[in-house]
Amino acid sequence: QKEVEQDPGPLSVPEGAIVSLNCTYSNSAFQYFMWYRQYSRKGPELLMYTYSSGNKEDGRFTAQVDKSSKYISLFIRDSQPSDSATYLCAMTDSWGKLQFGAGTQVVVTP
Amino acid sequence: ETGVTQSPTHLIKTRGQQVTLRCSSQSGHNTVSWYQQALGQGPQFIFQYYREEENGRGNFPPRFSGLQFPNYSSELNVNALELDDSALYLCASSPYREVGDTQYFGPGTRLTVL
Repeated sequence: QKEVEQDPGPLSVPEGAIVSLNCTYSNSAFQYFMWYRQYSRKGPELLMYTYSSGNKEDGRFTAQVDKSSKYISLFIRDSQPSDSATYLCAMTDSWGKLQFGAGTQVVVTP
Repeated sequence: ETGVTQSPTHLIKTRGQQVTLRCSSQSGHNTVSWYQQALGQGPQFIFQYYREEENGRGNFPPRFSGLQFPNYSSELNVNALELDDSALYLCASSPYREVGDTQYFGPGTRLTVL
């Protein structure tokens, strides 16, 4: 079993809809949780970074962490075609080594 | 843009050959990490360097090695290439040596092994 599980999709939504992404993990030592966005043939770009359980909002993005259930989510409101990308969750319990999910491909159709 | 650059962009090698990939971190970033991303997968941690010394390694064989230089550049070397080494290789730099430190990724080098 992988330490971080993420549905690979693809997830197709119409423009303006809410995109809901999630990851589950098995290692209770994970403390830091991130969401990266990766466009085709590009490196991952950091979107959200959270430490504690609860919600964190940044513009159209909301990250949610539930450590008791070992579950993290990312919501994208008012989705745009430019949001079409692969979204990677990542987490770590120690210095340096990020553990990534497989990534979910999101397609926002006009 | 993260300020992290990688070269070359693409590379084609044959099985058994050796390859060197290069990364230039943001100025002031003392830590560089290397990841391998196979098609359709998330990045897998290879190793990390802090102030020119290896500090942490993932589940990769010794034929994967690296160097970090004082000018914030680094190299990933892979010997005896295998077909499964075909992937996108990413480097990521971070400014501090702290738990959960934010890592900034470069665009990657796509390696194809024939």
